[in-house]
Amino acid sequence: DAGITQSPRHKVTETGTPVTLRCHQTENHRYMYWYRQDPGHGLRLIHYSYGVKDTDKGEVSDGYSVSRSKTEDFLLTLESATSSQTSVYFCAISGGGASDTEAFFGQGTRLTVV
Amino acid sequence: AQSVTQPDIHITVSEGASLELRCNYSYGATPYLFWYVQSPGQGLQLLLKYFSGDTLVQGIKGFEAEFKRSQSSFNLRKPSVHWSDAAEYFCAVGAHPSGGYNKLIFGAGTRLAVHP
Repeated sequence: DAGITQSPRHKVTETGTPVTLRCHQTENHRYMYWYRQDPGHGLRLIHYSYGVKDTDKGEVSDGYSVSRSKTEDFLLTLESATSSQTSVYFCAISGGGASDTEAFFGQGTRLTVV
Repeated sequence: AQSVTQPDIHITVSEGASLELRCNYSYGATPYLFWYVQSPGQGLQLLLKYFSGDTLVQGIKGFEAEFKRSQSSFNLRKPSVHWSDAAEYFCAVGAHPSGGYNKLIFGAGTRLAVHP
């Protein structure tokens, strides 16, 4: 899976609590992305990063923040989880030289907000 | 607005039958098109991509797709489906991944079931 590890793989949390999901890559790819997957919507981009400390919003960024302090780690934080944030979250990477034209995806994190 | 439409939410085919999954896109610039497959509980795997040149592209696992600019379509095909092809398939569009930047807009997906 192109050296992408998402943690945790599953999480149940209560409404109003903060949650942080981690994406770790060993491929030294420049770009990292967080998507959420929901039935009927496919995958939608939350935030992405184009370098250390360089991030930007995607189409569904409300309620989420991100940080990238090292090339290999991209964190997604839900400051105060809501039931509408129950979803499967995927991290993706791209920009790795010979694989410049392809995005690689992690295994996903299933988050349930109760 | 930029978007991808996959008109078929679910498709069921018999093993050995041919398959076509439809994808239509709306994109303001030159589109770069992708098909991904997702097996249950797994991440997404790239099947094939179209950037330029020959409008019929070959991918992994015996899949191919044809880009038709006049119809804004990028349909995925396979001549003979195997039971292991049962999965969810996503069409995606993006700008040219210059320097590796590859932000994608996905369709809602088509879930494929294969009958023995």
